Amino acid sequence: AQKVTQAQTEISVVEKEDVTLDCVYETRDTTYYLFWYKQPPSGELVFLIRRNSFDEQNEISGRYSWNFQKSTSSFNFTITASQVVDSAVYFCALSEAGAGTALIFGKGTTLSVSS
Amino acid sequence: DTGVSQNPRHKITKRGQNVTFRCDPISEHNRLYWYRQTLGQGPEFLTYFQNEAQLEKSRLLSDRFSAERPKGSFSTLEIQRTEQGDSAMYLCASSLAGYNQPQHFGDGTRLSIL
Repeated sequence: AQKVTQAQTEISVVEKEDVTLDCVYETRDTTYYLFWYKQPPSGELVFLIRRNSFDEQNEISGRYSWNFQKSTSSFNFTITASQVVDSAVYFCALSEAGAGTALIFGKGTTLSVSS
Repeated sequence: DTGVSQNPRHKITKRGQNVTFRCDPISEHNRLYWYRQTLGQGPEFLTYFQNEAQLEKSRLLSDRFSAERPKGSFSTLEIQRTEQGDSAMYLCASSLAGYNQPQHFGDGTRLSIL
């Protein structure tokens, strides 16, 4: 069965620290997509990145980077030089080719960045 | 660029009442999804439409819940005879067709049952 686990419930850091949010997934499909979303206090889920199961190349976008490793079924997200505006709940999600279009979300990691 | 719009933002109602929420997707998106999110949890899938056809429903969607998308544009989610356990944030998302397409979410409707 498909499942997404975000073991870190809450993380607190001080501005300018680097922080990594962990995501481990389970799926029987060989074709799937992984996503990260950000949910700030305002509530709207904001799409950050999509990665398909055949592309293990890491990606960097500004202060954000993502490390996808199929061998460990992980898709971790790192924020470099964190800022107060990064404070939010971050969700990892899975979409499988053979299971319709529903996103399977983890429980989320609450990141608090203090100044 | 207009995003996904949901209204109302908040709904407070007494147990046993019926409520209806509306979602307006991004105009070029033919898929529309409903999710429910409770405190401390990730969103859970309820149902989705491709154009006006409802193609998938979760087991979470009890008989008291009904969703429509009559003209393939906006959608409504109705809950009949509300119960305490229905209190949650109801999220709507839209996307282009395909399991690999990112879903774009609205701000949600927060439902509180008294």
